[in-house]
Formats: sequence, structure tokens, C-alpha cells
Amino acid sequence: KAGVTQTPRYLIKTRGQQVTLSCSPISGHRSVSWYQQTPGQGLQFLFEYFSETQRNKGNFPGRFSGRQFSNSRSEMNVSTLELGDSALYLCASSARSYNEQFFGPGTRLTVL
Amino acid sequence: GDSVTQMEGPVTLSEEAFLTINCTYTATGYPSLFWYVQYPGEGLQLLLKATKADDKGSNKGFEATYRKETTSFHLEKGSVQVSDSAVYFCALSASGANSKLTFGKGITLSVRP
Repeated sequence: KAGVTQTPRYLIKTRGQQVTLSCSPISGHRSVSWYQQTPGQGLQFLFEYFSETQRNKGNFPGRFSGRQFSNSRSEMNVSTLELGDSALYLCASSARSYNEQFFGPGTRLTVL
Repeated sequence: GDSVTQMEGPVTLSEEAFLTINCTYTATGYPSLFWYVQYPGEGLQLLLKATKADDKGSNKGFEATYRKETTSFHLEKGSVQVSDSAVYFCALSASGANSKLTFGKGITLSVRP
């Protein structure tokens, strides 16, 4: 069974731009969660989607948004990028909302 | 709110040494507890988990016991290998239909031959 895939793996943007990251969950998994990992703040929960509905949201500004499609694939979008948005963005999928989560390799975003 | 506290790092051990990484948590209800491991350049892998008090999670020689009385979930391994060098994260998931994970800050383990 293929694992969680994230594209792209690396991304370089400049301040003020916007970016879209993609996550394909393990086949059959309906829940997708997103996390931001930085050296200073560690791993922080962004949001969770289950069956195309946002189930839970972390404490991030409205510039961070996401969505989930009918095939469970998910995207997250960050608008008006700031230097502090530079991070590793991790996606995780699970079979149901409260099951064990499986993580993808992450997308490394660098904002210049 | 929920929180996880891990011991400060980094930790450097010689091969075959005993490993303990401390983890304590604060949460309401009965959370599930996890240890995740992150190898350089990779995402997180679930190492072990425990879903109720006194459960012991184990995998690849690592063990951790869910201690509700001390709100702890310390990770142990009797004999570490060079290949165990990685970053280790303790995490909890609150009870109920909620998959949000709250992580500790992580600790870097380096094992020298």
C-alpha cells in the first residue's frame, strides 16, 4: 500500500506570494491533518479534514486555509507569505478521525 | 489546554547503552499517547502507542508505559544502536473523535559506535 505523498517536496517563494501544497492520503483513509514544523515552535497542528469537512482547526491566522476533495486528497494554501512561514509542512492521514495517523515526508517551504 | 513536556536534549549515547527519554503530559479525560520518530530528511513515523492507563506500547525494542498517576509516558530501550539516531517526539491525542496530535518539542538522540 502506498504511503502518504506530498507535493512538491521543496518550494521557494518570496514574501507576499501565495502557495498551495498538496497531500494524497493512504488509499481508503478519509481523514487528513496538516502540521507545521519549525525549529522554534516545534510541531503545531494546523487543521484536520474528514470527508471534505474541516473538523478541527489550530491557532493559525486566516492566511492558512485548506480543503479536501471527494477522493480525500487535500490541499493547503498560504496567502501573503511571511518569512516566518518558512517551515516543514507535514500531512498525516488516518482511516477515521481518531485513528492512528500516518505522516508523509513533508514539503519544505522557504520564504525569502 | 493539552500539553506535552519532554526532557531537554540533545542526548548522546554509546552503542548498547540504556536509553530513557522522559515525557509527561497535561490533558483532560483519557488521552491516547504516542511516540513518533523522525529520521533526517523524513516525515514522522509512529514508533509505539498506548490508548489507556497501564497499557505498554512496544516496537523495535522500544517500550513505554502509560502511567496515569504520574501523567507520564517515558520511552526506554535496553540497548541502543547507531541506527536509532533520530529525533523522538512524544505526543497525545485527546479523548473523543478528534485526531489532533499535541507534540512535545522533540529530543535528538545521537548514538556513537
